[in-house]
Amino acid sequence: EIVMTQSPATLSVSPGERATLSCRASQSVSNNLAWYQQIPGQAPRLLIYGASTRATGIPARFSGSGSGTEFTLTITSLQSEDFALYYCQQYNTWPLPAFGQGTKVEIK
Amino acid sequence: QVQLQESGPGLVKPSQTLSLTCTVSGDPISSGDHYWSWIRQPPGKRLEWIGYISYRGMTFYNPSLKSRLTLSVDTSKNQFSLNLTSVTAADTAVYFCARARSASPYFYFYYMDVWGKGTAVTVSS
Repeated sequence: EIVMTQSPATLSVSPGERATLSCRASQSVSNNLAWYQQIPGQAPRLLIYGASTRATGIPARFSGSGSGTEFTLTITSLQSEDFALYYCQQYNTWPLPAFGQGTKVEIK
Repeated sequence: QVQLQESGPGLVKPSQTLSLTCTVSGDPISSGDHYWSWIRQPPGKRLEWIGYISYRGMTFYNPSLKSRLTLSVDTSKNQFSLNLTSVTAADTAVYFCARARSASPYFYFYYMDVWGKGTAVTVSS
């Protein structure tokens, strides 16, 4: 079973600054990695799939990188609506996807 | 625009059966190469995948829940459902339904591209 580990647990960032979130897999997941944004009370939103492909309608300030076991989600110039929870998820092992424990991006 | 909406009781007694339904709007559940999935998030814990079902009724279950879990689909109502038997406090969670989209025409790589808002379920007497 693949375990996904995200860091940091909480990231304090000022509006307009850059946020860098990390996700590590316990074994290689190739590029089968997705990132989601969750705002409490709302449906989780797909941001990135294939490790680096933005989903439809996702602003260009969101970017993903990495492959194998190390992945990064970067949010440049944070907007007020970006303060939320972020999860990574590997889907390399069918049918058992696995999620990270999440990173909370909060206002500094 | 596809939307998913979970429905079901917010409180279930221990040892009883938890039943939830996800209603899909904006697209027929039988269109596309999708799987329909359930995911849950216990308080303070990470998201946990529960299972997948195709519109034809092919199912894949999390091994940790397999003995208690049944997923079903009703294409006439554009819905899919979850039944989890013999629930305990450990099944208390927010339950999400989601559409799993294929990332490859050759391999089983599926990511969740559309989610419902989730429904909170508490198991308590």
